[in-house]
Amino acid sequence: AQSVTQLDSQVPVFEEAPVELRCNYSSSVSVYLFWYVQYPNQGLQLLLKYLSGSTLVKGINGFEAEFNKSQTSFHLRKPSVHISDTAEYFCAVSDQGAQKLVFGQGTRLTINP
Amino acid sequence: NAGVMQNPRHLVRRRGQEARLRCSPMKGHSHVYWYRQLPEEGLKFMVYLQKENIIDESGMPKERFSAEFPKEGPSILRIQQVVRGDSAAYFCASSPFEGSSYNEQFFGPGTRLTVL
Repeated sequence: AQSVTQLDSQVPVFEEAPVELRCNYSSSVSVYLFWYVQYPNQGLQLLLKYLSGSTLVKGINGFEAEFNKSQTSFHLRKPSVHISDTAEYFCAVSDQGAQKLVFGQGTRLTINP
Repeated sequence: NAGVMQNPRHLVRRRGQEARLRCSPMKGHSHVYWYRQLPEEGLKFMVYLQKENIIDESGMPKERFSAEFPKEGPSILRIQQVVRGDSAAYFCASSPFEGSSYNEQFFGPGTRLTVL
C-alpha cells in the first residue's frame, strides 16, 4: 500500500528566507507525485506535479520540487518566501493509471516578518 | 468557468441525524472524487465516481456512508445517523476524463460538518 510521510508538521521561517518542506513516499509501483497548498478555510490548489521526465519540477508561486527515486523523496523548495505563502502544504502520491490521491499529514508553513 | 462548488459550506447536525453534502463539478468534468479531512490530518480518499457509476469506493466506511453522481445534478455524499467522529471537512474534486493515465483533480472549498 502507498503511504506519504511529511517529516515536519510545522515549519516557521522568516520572510525572504529559503524553505524546504520534506516529503517521502512508499510505493511498490511507479507513481505520480504532487504538492498542494491549502489556504485557511479553502480547498486545495495544485502547486506542482511530477508525472515523468525531468526530476526537477517548477510550479506556481516560485515553488519547485525534486523527485529522487532512490531516496523516494519529493521535497518542496522556495528560495525566498513571502508572508502570503503562509498556508498548509500537502504532498500526495498516486499510482500511475490510478486516480485516487494518497496525502501526507500536511506541513504548516508560518512566515514571520 | 466556475470552479468546483460545494454546499453547504458549513453543516451542523445532532447525533443520529442525516447529513447530505453536495458537489457540483466543473463544467465539462465527468468524474468526481470525495475526500475527508479529519482535524490535524491530511485528506483521506473516500470514493471516486463517474456519472451513474461508482468506480472506486475503497475508502468509504462500510456502514452509514453512501455516494452517488446521477446523470443530472450534483454528486451527493450522504451520511446516515451521524456520530461525533464524522465531524470533519469533506472535500470534493472533479476531473475531466481525457483517456490518459493522469487526469488533474480540481478541488472545491469543502463542507465542514460538525456533529453535536
